[in-house]
Amino acid sequence: NAGVTQTPKFQVLKTGQSMTLQCAQDMNHEYMSWYRQDPGMGLRLIHYSVGAGITDQGEVPNGYNVSRSTTEDFPLRLLSAAPSQTSVYFCASSFDRETTDTQYFGPGTRLTVL
Amino acid sequence: GQSLEQPSEVTAVEGAIVQINCTYQTSGFYGLSWYQQHDGGAPTFLSYNGLDGLEETGRFSSFLSRSDSYGYLLLQELQMKDSASYFCAVRAYGGGFKTIFGAGTRLFVKA
Repeated sequence: NAGVTQTPKFQVLKTGQSMTLQCAQDMNHEYMSWYRQDPGMGLRLIHYSVGAGITDQGEVPNGYNVSRSTTEDFPLRLLSAAPSQTSVYFCASSFDRETTDTQYFGPGTRLTVL
Repeated sequence: GQSLEQPSEVTAVEGAIVQINCTYQTSGFYGLSWYQQHDGGAPTFLSYNGLDGLEETGRFSSFLSRSDSYGYLLLQELQMKDSASYFCAVRAYGGGFKTIFGAGTRLFVKA
């Protein structure tokens, strides 16, 4: 099993550009989530999904969209990138909504917005 | 809302024991988790306490006291490779299915 995979590993955007961060898992996990990590601020939840077709907002959802058309994939879309979105983005998954205490994280995408 | 507090940094000597504390404020929650993250890496799950008391996994132990809104991670026989950031996290009742993380504690292990 590859676990949780994310692409790209690094990305540089200009202000106003849009892009999609990809996340996939091959563990048949129902629950998937996106976090951003900024220095000294830990991990902040952006959006999450408890299953295909179901998504909900986390702590910091503004400026981001998600969709979950399959169990395996959970892409994160930046609609119009801003310098404040410069961060490291982690995708994570857990078996289901009742086991989010144990999440498996992908390697992260390091995003810089100029 | 929910909030978790951890010390920002802890320094200890190789071979020693170190305790990383986590205090939380939430109206009710399922349990307390701990994650480890090395520089440039992804967080990895270490332990989970759903009930009060001590959970032991090798050199690592974790403790929870719901009455004190407090937990800790105990690392024994410290090794240089334990130098990393450690995060506590909770999933609270009534907040949807969200897990909230603390800001993390940076552990420096010295020779």
